[in-house]
Amino acid sequence: DTAVSQTPKYLVTQMGNDKSIKCEQNLGHDTMYWYKQDSKKFLKIMFSYNNKELIINETVPNRFSPKSPDKAHLNLHINSLELGDSAVYFCASSQDRRTGINEKLFFGSGTQLSVL
Amino acid sequence: AQKITQTQPGMFVQEKEAVTLDCTYDTSDPSYGLFWYKQPSSGEMIFLIYQGSYDQQNATEGRYSLNFQKARKSANLVISASQLGDSAMYFCAMREALNQAGTALIFGKGTTLSVSS
Repeated sequence: DTAVSQTPKYLVTQMGNDKSIKCEQNLGHDTMYWYKQDSKKFLKIMFSYNNKELIINETVPNRFSPKSPDKAHLNLHINSLELGDSAVYFCASSQDRRTGINEKLFFGSGTQLSVL
Repeated sequence: AQKITQTQPGMFVQEKEAVTLDCTYDTSDPSYGLFWYKQPSSGEMIFLIYQGSYDQQNATEGRYSLNFQKARKSANLVISASQLGDSAMYFCAMREALNQAGTALIFGKGTTLSVSS
């Protein structure tokens, strides 16, 4: 039973299209995240939600819109895809948003997005 | 300013040898947590070990140990008795408050470890 699952695993699309990535966690965690891993493998936080509330938005372009229908789900919608959006997008979750400095992240398996 | 620095882009080690992966961090917060993750070629992110700033002892998890030197702000990962399956990218990370509402893990650029037989 996968703890953090995201779909699809691979996404190949044309520039200008709109696409979505879905994420679900069954760990009962309160906080979920989206990270972007670029071609140099650098991992950067994009967004974080705590119990459906957006709490972190790291100056991501408006074309990226996260949505959390409930605390177990966090989706990422990307409008007008650009070449530079090609990356691996990781969903993650943790028990608490702030109080636990020892709160590790549980990651999904990643979505490889390729924009042609 | 870079919060997590991993200065070794690549490291090479023979099977059964020990290897140290370097990580230095920057924070003014007296309470912080440091993490190491492994990313094999298959792409998943695997949690390895955690060290809290107030922990009295260096963290250990099986063949992984953390050489925590608080005054130097370093948290090096030591892998003992390397195995071929240890070949992967290794990330050091620190939990940081990004605003009053939330924290997230901030990652270093990673070190690629190659283990040969």
